[in-house]
Amino acid sequence: TQLLEQSPQFLSIQEGENLTVYCNSSSVFSSLQWYRQEPGEGPVLLVTVVTGGEVKKLKRLTFQFGDARKDSSLHITAAQPGDTGLYLCAGVSNFGNEKLTFGTGTRLTIIP
Amino acid sequence: GAGVSQSPRYKVAKRGQDVALRCDPISGHVSLFWYQQALGQGPEFLTYFQNEAQLDKSGLPSDRFFAERPEGSVSTLKIQRTQQEDSAVYLCASSLARLWEAQYFGPGTRLLVL
Repeated sequence: TQLLEQSPQFLSIQEGENLTVYCNSSSVFSSLQWYRQEPGEGPVLLVTVVTGGEVKKLKRLTFQFGDARKDSSLHITAAQPGDTGLYLCAGVSNFGNEKLTFGTGTRLTIIP
Repeated sequence: GAGVSQSPRYKVAKRGQDVALRCDPISGHVSLFWYQQALGQGPEFLTYFQNEAQLDKSGLPSDRFFAERPEGSVSTLKIQRTQQEDSAVYLCASSLARLWEAQYFGPGTRLLVL
């Protein structure tokens, strides 16, 4: 079983601060996705990273795929209350079984 | 509709009851997925359809779980003889083609087994 461990599990910070969420695995993934999920809703795709070392920016969010394609990070600059939610990474296997394996999740709360 | 819809949104069942959860994917989406999400955890894969064919059911936790998509659009996840450990949110997602392409999730059905 491929595991994607996210850290921290919970994060509560003041509005305006910066933060980084990590997604780590011992397995190689062909691509990795980040989702945000709000209470009572399904996850919503934020980004897909495919190439090792790739960096993608989405407004105040910066996503990076590790060089070895085993890990990823999400950095949020100047966090806003609207960023509150459950952040999930999900990896696509590199071994032909292309199911999405979701990480353990990071619950982020931004305090106004 | 514009997105994936699921019904019912909430279901309370007595232990031993059978339940059926419905998913209406985005029109034209070939792939359909079911996931189980425990409280505060990430979704876990249950099963996958490409059109009407169930190509992967390796995530179904027991033979009490059964899914179908007979006409390649609407799907139903059925749980027989529900147990308390079946309590979770059941998410449905669809995508245009390949497994790993952007999956669009429904709001989920929250199942509580008493």
